[in-house]
Amino acid sequence: DTVMTQSPDSLAVSLGERATINCKSSQSVLYSSNNKNYLAWYQQKPGQPPKLLIYWASTRESGVPDRFSGSGSGTDFTLTISSLQAEDVALYYCQHYYSTPPTFGQGTKLEIK
Amino acid sequence: QVQLVQSGAEVKKPGASVKVSCKASGYTFTSYYMHWVRQAPGQGLEWMGIINPSGGSTSYAQKFQDRVTMTRDTSTSTVYLELSSLRSEDTAVYYCAKGEAAGAYYFDYWGQGTPVTVSS
Repeated sequence: DTVMTQSPDSLAVSLGERATINCKSSQSVLYSSNNKNYLAWYQQKPGQPPKLLIYWASTRESGVPDRFSGSGSGTDFTLTISSLQAEDVALYYCQHYYSTPPTFGQGTKLEIK
Repeated sequence: QVQLVQSGAEVKKPGASVKVSCKASGYTFTSYYMHWVRQAPGQGLEWMGIINPSGGSTSYAQKFQDRVTMTRDTSTSTVYLELSSLRSEDTAVYYCAKGEAAGAYYFDYWGQGTPVTVSS
């Protein structure tokens, strides 16, 4: 199985500042035939199910604020929140879907400094 | 709007089975695969398998291959997850999650989750 490793495990950022979460896969999730990275990002708040933020590594899901962006290719990916808002406090997970089984990173806890 | 509504919390004894339901609405049920993902307390997310609501075909994660059954009822737009031979490590919140249109295994809508507790 492909192992997804996120860093850091937790992160404290001041309101209005940039937050950056990294995700590394043990194998490339870039499919050469279509040049797509099979990588998604989710946000999970306490007591709630995960919410899809980003898919294909950089495509924002409908309704997701544009302060959220995804980047990267191959094995290294980044989720960036350009200007942290109070409502962004949550756990964030990356997930590959290049092969079966799809697997998730261990999560990054984002807090306000 | 898309909604996935799951059945309520369950408490089971080790060795028992549990069956969780997920009723879909707001979209064409048979056009999108449905996945099951679980989350143990304080832990990350674990994919369990997928069902095609159209034909009923399934694919399970190897870890659960011999203990899990996913079924669907197209008349009620409901999918089911049954997990047998429960052990304490199966204590988790179980989510159904709708697959995206083209079949890629990411999840655009999730149910609210069904807590399952396995305890003697």
